[in-house]
Amino acid sequence: QKEVEQDPGPLSVPEGAIVSLNCTYSNSAFQYFMWYRQYSRKGPELLMYTYSSGNKEDGRFTAQVDKSSKYISLFIRDSQPSDSATYLCAMRGYSSASKIIFGSGTRLSIRP
Amino acid sequence: DSGVTQTPKHLITATGQRVTLRCSPRSGDLSVYWYQQSLDQGLQFLIQYYNGEERAKGNILERFSAQQFPDLHSELNLSSLELGDSALYFCASSEDRVAEQYFGPGTRLTVT
Repeated sequence: QKEVEQDPGPLSVPEGAIVSLNCTYSNSAFQYFMWYRQYSRKGPELLMYTYSSGNKEDGRFTAQVDKSSKYISLFIRDSQPSDSATYLCAMRGYSSASKIIFGSGTRLSIRP
Repeated sequence: DSGVTQTPKHLITATGQRVTLRCSPRSGDLSVYWYQQSLDQGLQFLIQYYNGEERAKGNILERFSAQQFPDLHSELNLSSLELGDSALYFCASSEDRVAEQYFGPGTRLTVT
């Protein structure tokens, strides 16, 4: 079993829809949770960075962490064609030596 | 633009050869990370340096090595290259050992 599981998609939704992207994990030591957006052949771009459980909102993006269920989500409101990309979840433990573990990414396509 | 620079953008070389990839972190960032991204493996953590010292190791092959120099730039050396080493190689940097990571644009390596 992988430490971080992410549905690879592809996920296709119409413009303006609310998108929900999710990851599950197995390591209860994970404390920091991140979402990255990666356009084709580009470097991953950090979207959200959260510590422990709870919600964090930034513009059209909301990140949720439920440590009791080992489940994290990224919601995109009012989705735009420019949101079409691969979304990677990532997480790490508290120790400075802990490695960051990435999900395999979900390909998202927003139809105009 | 994340502020992380990588050179070269593209590299084409033959099996058995050796190449060096270079990364300059964001101004002020002390940590540098190297990742490999291939189609079938996703984003794999290779190695982390903090202020010149190796801090964490991931799935890095013995044929690969890295270092971080006093000016904080880093180099990833890949030797005895095989076809399977063809991938995107990303460098990321962060302020310290646990802060969020910012990725460079990557180096696309093709081994023929």
